[in-house]
Amino acid sequence: NAGVTQTPKFQVLKTGQSMTLQCAQDMNHEYMSWYRQDPGMGLRLIHYSVGAGITDQGEVPNGYNVSRSTTEDFPLRLLSAAPSQTSVYFCASSKDRGRLFFGSGTQLSVL
Amino acid sequence: TQLLEQSPQFLSIQEGENLTVYCNSSSVFSSLQWYRQEPGEGPVLLVTVVTGGEVKKLKRLTFQFGDARKDSSLHITAAQPGDTGLYLCAGRSGNTGKLIFGQGTTLQVKP
Repeated sequence: NAGVTQTPKFQVLKTGQSMTLQCAQDMNHEYMSWYRQDPGMGLRLIHYSVGAGITDQGEVPNGYNVSRSTTEDFPLRLLSAAPSQTSVYFCASSKDRGRLFFGSGTQLSVL
Repeated sequence: TQLLEQSPQFLSIQEGENLTVYCNSSSVFSSLQWYRQEPGEGPVLLVTVVTGGEVKKLKRLTFQFGDARKDSSLHITAAQPGDTGLYLCAGRSGNTGKLIFGQGTTLQVKP
């Protein structure tokens, strides 16, 4: 049972480049979410989804897009990377908005 | 905007000492979770408290939810080097259902 799988583990981008962070879960969880973690700021919610075809914005959605075409996958797209998006990104899933299961994170640097 | 303030942000203690981490808010939460995160990994749930005044114990860790469900504490007895990590509290908003994270407390236990 893999749980929540995130790829890539590390990524370096130049300002203006776009990329997609991948997230997949094999627990048949309806609820999935993306967080960014910055020093001293805890985890901040970027976007979330309560089921396939349904997404909504979190606290810090600007510069990011998501889609949820299947229950398993919830990719996060950076449209035009900026240095302010340098962070560690975590994908999480849960069965019923209870316990969150996190992936191991993607460390992103934007130069 | 609901906020969760964690204190202290950093704690460095010797093995065998006791410590308490606090999580405070002016808002009421329907439940509160505590997570522990190790370097390079995602947070892992330790406990969820739901009822005001509830106390839960996990070996040497004691978690308490405030009577008014606005605050929580984590007490570790006789800390060990294996307790080293980032501790995060997260409150579930009764209004929006969203999970709001505190800034985290970095604990270092020296042998």
